[in-house]
Amino acid sequence: AQSVSQHNHHVILSEAASLELGCNYSYGGTVNLFWYVQYPGQHLQLLLKYFSGDPLVKGIKGFEAEFIKSKFSFNLRKPSVQWSDTAEYFCAALGGTDKLIFGTGTRLQVFP
Amino acid sequence: NAGVMQNPRHLVRRRGQEARLRCSPVKGHSHVYWYRQLPEEGLKFMVYLQKENIIDESGMPKERFSAEFPKEGPSILRIQQVVRGDSAAYFCASSPRSRNGGNTIYFGEGSWLTVV
Repeated sequence: AQSVSQHNHHVILSEAASLELGCNYSYGGTVNLFWYVQYPGQHLQLLLKYFSGDPLVKGIKGFEAEFIKSKFSFNLRKPSVQWSDTAEYFCAALGGTDKLIFGTGTRLQVFP
Repeated sequence: NAGVMQNPRHLVRRRGQEARLRCSPVKGHSHVYWYRQLPEEGLKFMVYLQKENIIDESGMPKERFSAEFPKEGPSILRIQQVVRGDSAAYFCASSPRSRNGGNTIYFGEGSWLTVV
């Protein structure tokens, strides 16, 4: 069955530190991959998406993600985080079932 | 604002009452998804609908929950005889599901249900 794993449940960083959040999916066919961000008390916003082509995807707010097919991974990165990046980050995959499956989320706390 | 519209944003119900959550998709989108987010948990798929058709309801609890997406009007998620465990944020999302529109799924701002 299609699934998404996010192994980092809670990440704490200082401002200006680099960020990498792991995401692995299990689906053998063509898959579309997404990262969403949810600020406290708010809805999900799309950070970036991968459908095909260049495996390095750039999104909003300085985030990027790299699709590595051989590792079934789609890790999210940001070279220098800010306090305003404090939020919950969700990786999601859309495969043959047409259901967008989410990981359990990673809570990021950035301290000034 | 042409995004996914959900209402009410916040709903309080007593145990045993009914909750109705409405979702108007992005204009032109023909597919709607409902997700539930329990406190301290991720988003769980509930149901995927096309107009007048339920495509996948594998994430819906077997009892008390139902969803529809009529030809006219918003999609409705209905929870009968609510219990405290139904307290959660319910997110609706829509997708064009067309070749030109791609598979990007857009989310609404959510409806927070509190059962007292």
